[in-house]
Amino acid sequence: DAGITQSPRHKVTETGTPVTLRCHQTENHRYMYWYRQDPGHGLRLIHYSYGVKDTDKGEVSDGYSVSRSKTEDFLLTLESATSSQTSVYFCAISASGSFYEQYFGPGTRLTVT
Amino acid sequence: KNEVEQSPQNLTAQEGEFITINCSYSVGISALHWLQQHPGGGIVSLFMLSSGKKKHGRLIATINIQEKHSSLHITASHPRDSAVYICAVSSLNTGNQFYFGTGTSLTVIP
Repeated sequence: DAGITQSPRHKVTETGTPVTLRCHQTENHRYMYWYRQDPGHGLRLIHYSYGVKDTDKGEVSDGYSVSRSKTEDFLLTLESATSSQTSVYFCAISASGSFYEQYFGPGTRLTVT
Repeated sequence: KNEVEQSPQNLTAQEGEFITINCSYSVGISALHWLQQHPGGGIVSLFMLSSGKKKHGRLIATINIQEKHSSLHITASHPRDSAVYICAVSSLNTGNQFYFGTGTSLTVIP
């Protein structure tokens, strides 16, 4: 199994509070992705990174920011959580983008009350 | 607009049946991926293919690039195959982004 961990695995937070989710990999893969998964939708890309300090937006990036200061860590921040951000968040890694498989972390279930 | 469409959305089968899940896509792709997600569980990559056919155990994946269509077959289905199967494509048009179908929920009854 690819070495990907996410923390926390579960979180309940209140509307308006900041939240940071962490993705950590031990594979030294260049690409890292944050997705959200909601009923009735496929996995949707929030942000991705193609190297340290190199990030780009996905289709549902509003309300989210990311940072990657080290190859192994990719952080997703909800600056001011809203109930619409209640979701399951998955991190994924890939050796070299679209020509390679993605490996997924175990997911973080976030509930915003 | 969905770049990836899967059918059926839900599927119930008796143990031992041959199962087919279909995926159609509308973008130019570099590769097509089949993923498996067990209830409450993580997501595992089953296949990545850009042409032809691949087989792993009882699972077979095929792709027709001209038709922009892929199928995932499960032979001699078993209750442990019960999961959501997700089709995804990595697109030539958007570099390193992936597009995902909404998944097919499979239940295999003993």
